[in-house]
Amino acid sequence: GAVVSQHPSWVICKSGTSVKIECRSLDFQATTMFWYRQFPKQSLMLMATSNEGSKATYEQGVEKDKFLINHASLTLSTLTVTSAHPEDSSFYICSASKELSTDTQYFGPGTRLTVL
Amino acid sequence: GESVGLHLPTLSVQEGDNSIINCAYSNSASDYFIWYKQESGKGPQFIIDIRSNMDKRQGQRVTVLLNKTVKHLSLQIAATQPGDSAVYFCAEKRSTGRRALTFGSGTRLQVQP
Repeated sequence: GAVVSQHPSWVICKSGTSVKIECRSLDFQATTMFWYRQFPKQSLMLMATSNEGSKATYEQGVEKDKFLINHASLTLSTLTVTSAHPEDSSFYICSASKELSTDTQYFGPGTRLTVL
Repeated sequence: GESVGLHLPTLSVQEGDNSIINCAYSNSASDYFIWYKQESGKGPQFIIDIRSNMDKRQGQRVTVLLNKTVKHLSLQIAATQPGDSAVYFCAEKRSTGRRALTFGSGTRLQVQP
């Protein structure tokens, strides 16, 4: 199979603190990982695309200095929400793609972030 | 603008009936389409995909139909079961440029026992 995990599955933090979310491909090497955000009863919105060893490409309107993405290895990407505020509370979902030539994306289970 | 949207936000069906979930897309350059199922508090689960050189693809109890003329995509679920209750999203990928997916707004499927 192609399993993607996320850690933590949920996190509650105080306003102003930073939170790191990990996305791992457990049984394959992911050349590309994607980070999505999903607000309640809404669809998934792409935040950024990251390729291993290079800088992430952020979607318009997503602050790269606030949402730090690191894709240091072929099996791990991290999203750090810096100086989190209540409006950052959301469901963050990552996906991973095996090869540049394939379109299939495998999604993680998501991380529920609540900022108090 | 470019978007992927759905005609029906909520679909309620009786157990055992067939379900049809529709999706309209506006980007004629898209060449790959996927249907995902998302249960509450979970990540999207792949159901079935189709490329633009096809107009129909079948899986186990599911069929995806693609009509490029009117930019319409549908997901048919045969003999709908309570376990099929979830939100269903269609997603598209452009043939050129980025590999990321653009998701539709979602349809909630409610299966009545």
